[in-house]
Amino acid sequence: LAKTTQPISMDSYEGQEVNITCSHNNIATNDYITWYQQFPSQGPRFIIQGYKTKVTNEVASLFIPADRKSSTLSLPRVSLSDTAVYYCLVGDIYYGQNFVFGPGTRLSVLP
Amino acid sequence: EAGVTQFPSHSVIEKGQTVTLRCDPISGHDNLYWYRRVMGKEIKFLLHFVKESKQDESGMPNNRFLAERTGGTYSTLKVQPAELEDSGVYFCASSQAPQAYYGYTFGSGTRLTVV
Repeated sequence: LAKTTQPISMDSYEGQEVNITCSHNNIATNDYITWYQQFPSQGPRFIIQGYKTKVTNEVASLFIPADRKSSTLSLPRVSLSDTAVYYCLVGDIYYGQNFVFGPGTRLSVLP
Repeated sequence: EAGVTQFPSHSVIEKGQTVTLRCDPISGHDNLYWYRRVMGKEIKFLLHFVKESKQDESGMPNNRFLAERTGGTYSTLKVQPAELEDSGVYFCASSQAPQAYYGYTFGSGTRLTVV
């Protein structure tokens, strides 16, 4: 299973764009990159998933360079409610392998 | 659609007692997973069901833990006898495909406290 590395914490202000980068140097050919968000007392919530280049949905964008050894989750114009822990997971989404949650990145959005 | 439902939301039991956690996945989701976070550590995988079959139980910590998924619907996770180190939050998740496209949908978890 590919190991991921993320910053432990980040601070931002309301209205700013936040970029969280995840390193996954030993990503395998069949691996996808998936990001989850977790609020206190809740289970993780799926945000976005991608394989290469750029993926965008209504809440975030995911940028993946050509070598796929890292990825960047971009949250546009964050609000206080985006304060949460963000996890980057890497693995074969079709194989059903168990995924490894690292410590994640604790994002604090300040007023 | 209804989400993944777990109950109880909280459970406090004494060391040596038995506790059973239940998870109701999203209807039609064949894949069901159990994860847990203990003592402020990282979320760890416990096991994965595909319908009623255990696909991967490599994360089960020991034989005090027994997971079942009768008829491929809801799942139970029994801890017998419970130990202090079992305290933590137990999450259940489900997905239609293993994790394709939309990831897992997690429940809110069961907070287990063993005293």
